[in-house]
Amino acid sequence: AQSVTQPDIHITVSEGASLELRCNYSYGATPYLFWYVQSPGQGLQLLLKYFSGDTLVQGIKGFEAEFKRSQSSFNLRKPSVHWSDAAEYFCAVGVFSGGYNKLIFGAGTRLAVHP
Amino acid sequence: KAGVTQTPRYLIKTRGQQVTLSCSPISGHRSVSWYQQTPGQGLQFLFEYFSETQRNKGNFPGRFSGRQFSNSRSEMNVSTLELGDSALYLCASSLVQQGISYNEQFFGPGTRLTVL
Repeated sequence: AQSVTQPDIHITVSEGASLELRCNYSYGATPYLFWYVQSPGQGLQLLLKYFSGDTLVQGIKGFEAEFKRSQSSFNLRKPSVHWSDAAEYFCAVGVFSGGYNKLIFGAGTRLAVHP
Repeated sequence: KAGVTQTPRYLIKTRGQQVTLSCSPISGHRSVSWYQQTPGQGLQFLFEYFSETQRNKGNFPGRFSGRQFSNSRSEMNVSTLELGDSALYLCASSLVQQGISYNEQFFGPGTRLTVL
């Protein structure tokens, strides 16, 4: 069965520090991988996606993620966190089956940023 | 191009009532998916519509239903509301392209439903 695991429920970092959010997936075929961010009371904003090709993917707001097939991971990174990055982050795998597609989400990681 | 819009943004209902939520996809997008987000269960797939047909449904009771109109706008309905139906309901649209195995989904801001 397809699944996504985000091991860290809460992470707190200081402003200016580096960030890495972990994501592991379980999927039998070539995965389509996504990171979304959600601010309180808002919908989901796509940060970046991996469909194929270069395993290091650049996204918006200075985020990047690296796809490692051998580790079934797709970790999100940012070299220097800003206070405005405080939000909840969701990793997801896109499943294509029977002519339709859907997203399977991890439980999310809530990021707090200290000044 | 306008994004995905959902109405209403907030809704308060009481147990036993029914509710209808609306989603207008991005112009040209023919696939609409619905997701439920709760603190306990996280983000879960409800169902997906394409060309007015429900192509698949997640693991939700029959009280949850939906439909899609010829202009691709979609509605979802929840009957006999329960306290546990309180959630953020997110709609996502995608452009279904022939030959593309996965079509990216674009999310709306959601409808916050509170059941009292």
